[in-house]
Amino acid sequence: GAVVSQHPSRVICKSGTSVKIECRSLDFQATTMFWYRQFPKQSLMLMATSNEGSKATYEQGVEKDKFLINHASLTLSTLTVTSAHPEDSSFYICSALPGQRTDTQYFGPGTRLTVL
Amino acid sequence: QKEVEQNSGPLSVPEGAIASLNCTYSDRGSQSFFWYRQYSGKSPELIMSIYSNGDKEDGRFTAQLNKASQYVSLLIRDSQPSDSATYLCAVTRDSNYQLIWGAGTKLIIKP
Repeated sequence: GAVVSQHPSRVICKSGTSVKIECRSLDFQATTMFWYRQFPKQSLMLMATSNEGSKATYEQGVEKDKFLINHASLTLSTLTVTSAHPEDSSFYICSALPGQRTDTQYFGPGTRLTVL
Repeated sequence: QKEVEQNSGPLSVPEGAIASLNCTYSDRGSQSFFWYRQYSGKSPELIMSIYSNGDKEDGRFTAQLNKASQYVSLLIRDSQPSDSATYLCAVTRDSNYQLIWGAGTKLIIKP
C-alpha cells in the first residue's frame, strides 16, 4: 500500500521550454502532497505544499510563477517548471499524505530534470 | 543551529556489525520522528516512524527516541552491504505535517 508514482522519471529539455511533472497516489487518496527539489549531495528542499482544491503554499524563495502547482484531484498533483533554465536542473520529488490519520509521507520515485 | 542535525559521515561499519545513526533536534514541540533511507539517485524510502519515548523495533531496525534529550537514533543490526545509503532523519512539529530534514548521514557497510 501507499504507492506514489511520478512521471516522467527523466526529462531533458531545451532552455526556455516548460516541463510538466505528474505525481499520483495509486492506492490511496492524498489531500496533501509536497514537492521537493534536491541538488547533488544536498538534502531535500521543500518547494511547496499542495492541498487538493486549493492554491499551493510555496516556501520562501520559491517562485510560484515559475513553479506552477496544480492539485486538481485527490490522487494527482502536477508541477510545471515554466521557462526552464539550466539552473533548474535538479531531482524533483513529490510525496503524499494518505489521509487524516497519519503524518507519514510516502515518496514518489523522483523526476530527474536536465535543462540544456 | 540547525533544526535537525546529523553527522554527515561517512560512517563506515563492517558487515554484520551494528550501525548506529544519531540525530538531534532543536524544537521541543516536535511531534513525530522519521528515519528515511535514500540510495544514490533515488528518492527517500521510509524505514521507521516513532512518536513516543523509548524503542521501536522492526526487523533489523530499532529506532530510539528520547524527548528529554531531544535526540532520536536508528540502530541497524547485522548490517549488510545493501544497507549502504544515506539515512535521513526528519521531524514534524505542527499540524501541516511538513517534514524538517537533517542533512543525512552516509553509511558505508564494508564486506
